[in-house]
Amino acid sequence: EIVLTQSPGTLSLSPGESATLSCRASQSVASNYLAWYQQTPGQAPRLLMYSASSRAPGIPDRFSGSGSRTDFTLAISRLEPGDFAVYYCQQYGTSPFSFGQGTRLEIK
Amino acid sequence: EVRLVESGGGLVQPGRSLRLSCAAFGFTFDDYAMHWVRQVPGKGLEWVSGINWNSGDTVYAASVKGRFTISRDNAKSSLYLEMNSLRVEDTALYYCAKGMAFDSRGSCDTWGRGTLVIVSS
Repeated sequence: EIVLTQSPGTLSLSPGESATLSCRASQSVASNYLAWYQQTPGQAPRLLMYSASSRAPGIPDRFSGSGSRTDFTLAISRLEPGDFAVYYCQQYGTSPFSFGQGTRLEIK
Repeated sequence: EVRLVESGGGLVQPGRSLRLSCAAFGFTFDDYAMHWVRQVPGKGLEWVSGINWNSGDTVYAASVKGRFTISRDNAKSSLYLEMNSLRVEDTALYYCAKGMAFDSRGSCDTWGRGTLVIVSS
């Protein structure tokens, strides 16, 4: 099973700043099948990125994904109040399709 | 509007069974794989199981393999999760999620609101 480790656990930033979230896999993610999700309190997760760097429909270009094999990054520029949430990465290249433990982005 | 509605959750004793359902609306159900993902309140996401468009491929997390069975009825645009030999650690909010492709190897672009399963004596 591929283990995904996200860092940092918590990121404290102010609106207008930029965020960089990391997701590291214990082995190579097949076909770079890596997704990022955002979850706000009381809500279901929302897909942000798939295939490491493709934005899901309706996701603003302030969100960008990069990386390959075992190291992936989600970057968020010009943070807005609605961006403060928990972010999860997921690999879906090799079953079982595992999630990372999450990074909490909080307002400083 | 693409929408998923889960049902069937509730309080169940350890060792008993429960069947979750997910009704799909607003898209061609049999064009896409479907998944179940669970979340203990206040904790992270755990992928549980996935099924491809025609039920020809099913995949499971190690924690539920042999106890849970995923299935779908394309004629009814519905997804199911049969959960047997339930354990206290299966307590969670269970989400139904739509895959982005017909193959189970896809991210999930639409999620339901979830149905809560509590396993307790």
